[in-house]
Amino acid sequence: KAGVTQTPRYLIKTRGQQVTLSCSPISGHRSVSWYQQTPGQGLQFLFEYFSETQRNKGNFPGRFSGRQFSNSRSEMNVSTLELGDSALYLCASSLSEDRANGELFFGEGSRLTVL
Amino acid sequence: AQSVTQLDSHVSVSEGTPVLLRCNYSSSYSPSLFWYVQHPNKGLQLLLKYTSAATLVKGINGFEAEFKKSETSFHLTKPSAHMSDAAEYFCVVTPWGGKLIFGQGTELSVKP
Repeated sequence: KAGVTQTPRYLIKTRGQQVTLSCSPISGHRSVSWYQQTPGQGLQFLFEYFSETQRNKGNFPGRFSGRQFSNSRSEMNVSTLELGDSALYLCASSLSEDRANGELFFGEGSRLTVL
Repeated sequence: AQSVTQLDSHVSVSEGTPVLLRCNYSSSYSPSLFWYVQHPNKGLQLLLKYTSAATLVKGINGFEAEFKKSETSFHLTKPSAHMSDAAEYFCVVTPWGGKLIFGQGTELSVKP
């Protein structure tokens, strides 16, 4: 069974540009969530989607957005990039709607560097 | 409000000795608690989870954790460290239907 696939794995952008990251969940998983990981702030929740609907959103500015497609694949977009957006962006999928009981399966992440 | 605190940012042990990674949580009601592990340049993998069943939870790779409500703790232990255990470990708390709250992580080093 294929795991969670994130593309691209590495990318370099300059300030002011925008970026789109893609996440393909495990087959059958309908819940997808996104996290930002940085050395200073650790792991922070960005947003979560279930059946194409955003269920939860973290405390990030509106430059960060996401969506989920009917096949459960998800994308996140960051517009007007800032240096502080440099991070590892992790996507996770789960089978269960119930966050308290569901195990998350993480991809290996997309490492974004903003110059 | 819920929060989670990992008491050590870095732990170093020798191979074959016990591992203790400490986690305290704050929650207004009985939470679900998880430990995840992240190896370098990899995503996170679930080690174990507590969801109000048995207070002593066994996970993969010989790890276990004990939920102690009176101490609001969920410490992760392993009797004997292996070199392959070197990684970063995250304690996570989540309310039902809510977003996950991650601890800051504990980096475990294992010396030969």
